[in-house]
Amino acid sequence: GENVEQHPSTLSVQEGDSAVIKCTYSDSASNYFPWYKQELGKGPQLIIDIRSNVGEKKDQRIAVTLNKTAKHFSLHITETQPEDSAVYFCAASRGGGADGLTFGKGTHLIIQP
Amino acid sequence: DAMVIQNPRYQVTQFGKPVTLSCSQTLNHNVMYWYQQKSSQAPKLLFHYYDKDFNNEADTPDNFQSRRPNTSFCFLDIRSPGLGDAAMYLCATSRSGTVYNEQFFGPGTRLTVL
Repeated sequence: GENVEQHPSTLSVQEGDSAVIKCTYSDSASNYFPWYKQELGKGPQLIIDIRSNVGEKKDQRIAVTLNKTAKHFSLHITETQPEDSAVYFCAASRGGGADGLTFGKGTHLIIQP
Repeated sequence: DAMVIQNPRYQVTQFGKPVTLSCSQTLNHNVMYWYQQKSSQAPKLLFHYYDKDFNNEADTPDNFQSRRPNTSFCFLDIRSPGLGDAAMYLCATSRSGTVYNEQFFGPGTRLTVL
């Protein structure tokens, strides 16, 4: 089955700086890579996703890159703000029918004022 | 707004006492999932319904069952909760037939076992 590795487990950055979280996956058939933000006591919220036919996607301060050859994808947050503090999960899926998501172990992002 | 709703948000049960968690959705998605998320861990898929077809993950304990009486509702039954079943339980939905499996999560039910 799929295995997703995520690094780092904790990331502390100064407000205004950029944050980068990296994930690798094992299943070459995976074609969908979402990123979720989870705040304390809440369910995961989809913030951005990337599909295997795209190398990069950007949405305001958030961008995601995908390298299919190397089987890794990354989340980039620029101009970080205090409200960006949360746990971020990457995930992978084969897509199509009804495959569940395989999640990475999460990154606790801390924005220092 | 279309959404995934979970009730209750917090559930306390006693060791061995059956408990049922519920999920409803207004997205009209045909696939519904249940994930278990233990403290400081990633969500882990327990099972999912593809329409009326139930699909269990190989390592999901028999203690966990699910029912889907109609498209909108799905229930998670824990027959004899143990202390190790204390976790956040997340319901998610998606629409099959698309190339990519975008899933939408509910807010979760936090289960405490005493």
